[in-house]
Amino acid sequence: AQSVTQLDSQVPVFEEAPVELRCNYSSSVSVYLFWYVQYPNQGLQLLLKYLSGSTLVKGINGFEAEFNKSQTSFHLRKPSVHISDTAEYFCAVSPYGAGSYQLTFGKGTKLSVIP
Amino acid sequence: DVKVTQSSRYLVKRTGEKVFLECVQDMDHENMFWYRQDPGLGLRLIYFSYDVKMKEKGDIPEGYSVSREKKERFSLILESASTNQTSMYLCASSLSELAKNIQYFGAGTRLSVL
Repeated sequence: AQSVTQLDSQVPVFEEAPVELRCNYSSSVSVYLFWYVQYPNQGLQLLLKYLSGSTLVKGINGFEAEFNKSQTSFHLRKPSVHISDTAEYFCAVSPYGAGSYQLTFGKGTKLSVIP
Repeated sequence: DVKVTQSSRYLVKRTGEKVFLECVQDMDHENMFWYRQDPGLGLRLIYFSYDVKMKEKGDIPEGYSVSREKKERFSLILESASTNQTSMYLCASSLSELAKNIQYFGAGTRLSVL
């Protein structure tokens, strides 16, 4: 089984400041890793995913994440946030292999960008 | 673009009512999912389906059932709604059995059971 821990439930940050949203996972097998974003009153949309290869993954809206296998982490970063980045962010994992339909989500981190 | 449409954004029902939440996707995806989202708990999987008429229980199936009679449509059924089923319900779909394929989400249905 897999589990995901998002270490911060809420992160306030000033506009144009950098931000890091932390995600750690636990799994006995190799995993795929995802970050999703949920804007107010909307469903989730994919920000970025790590499947294999380079451990630094770039996504939409200037976000990037780095996979660190030894620390079982997949932290999300943005060098300069905008008001429009205010949203809830979810980290998710799924195990490798056929029959692996499911995503296991973290509890979410609410990012509030302060003007 | 993939579109996942949930039939209602908001629903208010009474305790004991039978409730149907409908979800339709337009991209011929094999897999469909129903999640429940509650503050501080993230998303929890209720049921998923990997083919027509096939279903698998997720982490919290109690009090729910599902129906998938056509590939594009996946329904969540609350046989007898209770107040603890007040929540946001999210439907998702994905292309194949490989989990590396993206799940696409609908906008959600906020259900209140009074």
